[in-house]
Amino acid sequence: DVKVTQSSRYLVKRTGEKVFLECVQDMDHENMFWYRQDPGLGLRLIYFSYDVKMKEKGDIPEGYSVSREKKERFSLILESASTNQTSMYLCASRPGTGGNSGEKLFFGSGTQLSVL
Amino acid sequence: GENVEQHPSTLSVQEGDSAVIKCTYSDSASNYFPWYKQELGKGPQLIIDIRSNVGEKKDQRIAVTLNKTAKHFSLHITETQPEDSAVYFCAAARRGYSSASKIIFGSGTRLSIRP
Repeated sequence: DVKVTQSSRYLVKRTGEKVFLECVQDMDHENMFWYRQDPGLGLRLIYFSYDVKMKEKGDIPEGYSVSREKKERFSLILESASTNQTSMYLCASRPGTGGNSGEKLFFGSGTQLSVL
Repeated sequence: GENVEQHPSTLSVQEGDSAVIKCTYSDSASNYFPWYKQELGKGPQLIIDIRSNVGEKKDQRIAVTLNKTAKHFSLHITETQPEDSAVYFCAAARRGYSSASKIIFGSGTRLSIRP
């Protein structure tokens, strides 16, 4: 089974801190994603990456950046954490294009970030 | 861009009864509609999906229906069991899209099964 591992389950940070959320997948997937989950708003895409060193903005990229130096690792960076970034963050990966297996997203268990 | 609306936001049903969750989408080019289930403390997992060339798909107690004309699709769970309690998300995307394309999720439905 594909495993997507997020480094922390819970994280508490202070306003203004630089925060790193790490995600690692073990199935050689080309595509990786960062979503934010808030009650009543569903899953909103922050950033995604379709190859090493490649990234594209999702629907809510403001206040975030990402890094993908290796295929298996995708990092989400909060440059200066703010209280409105308190949320559940979910990482996901997906195989490359083509074929019926290429569309399924594999999610990590999430990181609940609290910014005080 | 695509917009997916999901209803209801919460749903409580008696064990053994059926549950229905409905979604609408805005982009007529969307042709792939997955459903994800998120159990407490876990990430969402794909439970079933449907493509626009079919109107219905079943997998044991779960079925999805799609009405392309009306741009809505639904998840049906029959003979509900306690383990069906979870948050369910619908989504829409264009199948065969490039790696850069996105899957857009609905806002989620919290399903509770009453014993």
